[in-house]
Amino acid sequence: GQNIDQPTEMTATEGAIVQINCTYQTSGFNGLFWYQQHAGEAPTFLSYNVLDGLEEKGRFSSFLSRSKGYSYLLLKELQMKDSASYLCAAMDSNYQLIWGAGTKLIIKP
Amino acid sequence: DAEITQSPRHKITETGRQVTLACHQTWNHNNMFWYRQDLGHGLRLIHYSYGVQDTNKGEVSDGYSVSRSNTEDLPLTLESAASSQTSVYFCASSKGDAGELFFGEGSRLTVL
Repeated sequence: GQNIDQPTEMTATEGAIVQINCTYQTSGFNGLFWYQQHAGEAPTFLSYNVLDGLEEKGRFSSFLSRSKGYSYLLLKELQMKDSASYLCAAMDSNYQLIWGAGTKLIIKP
Repeated sequence: DAEITQSPRHKITETGRQVTLACHQTWNHNNMFWYRQDLGHGLRLIHYSYGVQDTNKGEVSDGYSVSRSNTEDLPLTLESAASSQTSVYFCASSKGDAGELFFGEGSRLTVL
C-alpha cells in the first residue's frame, strides 16, 4: 500500500535549527511536496523535490533521497511564526498526492 | 489577484440534509480537488476534476458528489449528511499534473 510517515509533533527553540523527516512508500514516484499549515488556515506550498539532493529556499531547505524513500525539511533560524504543521506529500505514478498526517512544530522562546 | 474561495466558511446542518459547499477559482486552472482534513489523518481526497465535464472519485468519495460545468467552479454536494462527514473541507486547484496546489481557506462542516 501507499504510506507516508512523519513525526506527529516536534518542539524547538527560537533561533535554532530543526529537521522534520518524512518517509514514503508509493506506487511510482513523481515528486515530494512540503506544505506549511498554520492552525485554522489553509496549507501553503513550501517546496517540491523530484531529483535527489538538497533544494534551498531562504531559511527553508528540503532534501530528497529517492532510493531511500526519504525526505526532510530543514528550518533554520527558527522564528515564532514558524509554529505550524508541516505536511509531507508524495506524488504517485498517477500524479495523485499521498499525504502524511502532518508534523506539528512548536517553537519555544 | 487570482484566488480560490470557498463558501460557506462554517456550516452546521442536521443528519440527512443535503449540503453543498462551493469552490470558485480565478487561476484558470484545469485541475481542481476536494479534500477533507480530520485530526490524525492526512488530507484525504474526495473528488477531483481535470477539466470541464471531467470528474473522478478519490479515496473517500462515498456520500459525496461533484460537478464541473465550467473551469472556475467545483461544488461539492453531500447528498444526505452524516455525522461522520463532520470535518474541515478544503478545495484546491493546480495548473498541471505536478504543479503546486493552491488551497481555499476551508469550510468547517458540523453535522448534528
